[in-house]
Amino acid sequence: ILNVEQSPQSLHVQEGDSTNFTCSFPSSNFYALHWYRWETAKSPEALFVMTLNGDEKKKGRISATLNTKEGYSYLYIKGSQPEDSATYLCAPDGGTSYGKLTFGQGTILTVHP
Amino acid sequence: DVKVTQSSRYLVKRTGEKVFLECVQDMDHENMFWYRQDPGLGLRLIYFSYDVKMKEKGDIPEGYSVSREKKERFSLILESASTNQTSMYLCASRGPPPTGELFFGEGSRLTVL
Repeated sequence: ILNVEQSPQSLHVQEGDSTNFTCSFPSSNFYALHWYRWETAKSPEALFVMTLNGDEKKKGRISATLNTKEGYSYLYIKGSQPEDSATYLCAPDGGTSYGKLTFGQGTILTVHP
Repeated sequence: DVKVTQSSRYLVKRTGEKVFLECVQDMDHENMFWYRQDPGLGLRLIYFSYDVKMKEKGDIPEGYSVSREKKERFSLILESASTNQTSMYLCASRGPPPTGELFFGEGSRLTVL
């Protein structure tokens, strides 16, 4: 089992706050790191797929960085809104086993109005 | 629009029954996955398939089997359902690794009495 850790497990912030959380993964055999957002009563949807050390991706108020040498990725949300409330999941692709993706336990974000 | 369709949104079965969960994708993806989601445990990989008739065990395959007779269809089978298999089951298909993202179905909530 690929050891993926996400922290914190849950987070409560006020509307307008900026926040960030972490995904840690084994730095060996790295191919890509996926971030997904999972809103209640919906299916998970991809946010970012990152492959290069130092990579930074952005989608609106959400951005992510990647450090493959030390095995971590940060997800940032600037000016959180209630609609950002969701579980944020990461999954490293270790490049083995035909595209297998194993997820971390996720960070549950609640943004209070 | 890309689509992953799971045959049943809600099922109630009795202990010992055989259960089939069907998943169909229309994106011509080679990789398909079955996950289960339980509170506090995140998304855990049960089985995945990287081609027709090819399958690999995920992290929690015990009590499950799968079938991939056609590229677009991936079935999860519970040979003899047990109460600890009560869960939300999510099917996904994936574009070519490493950058191909997962597309999820809407989920099947199974209750075993």
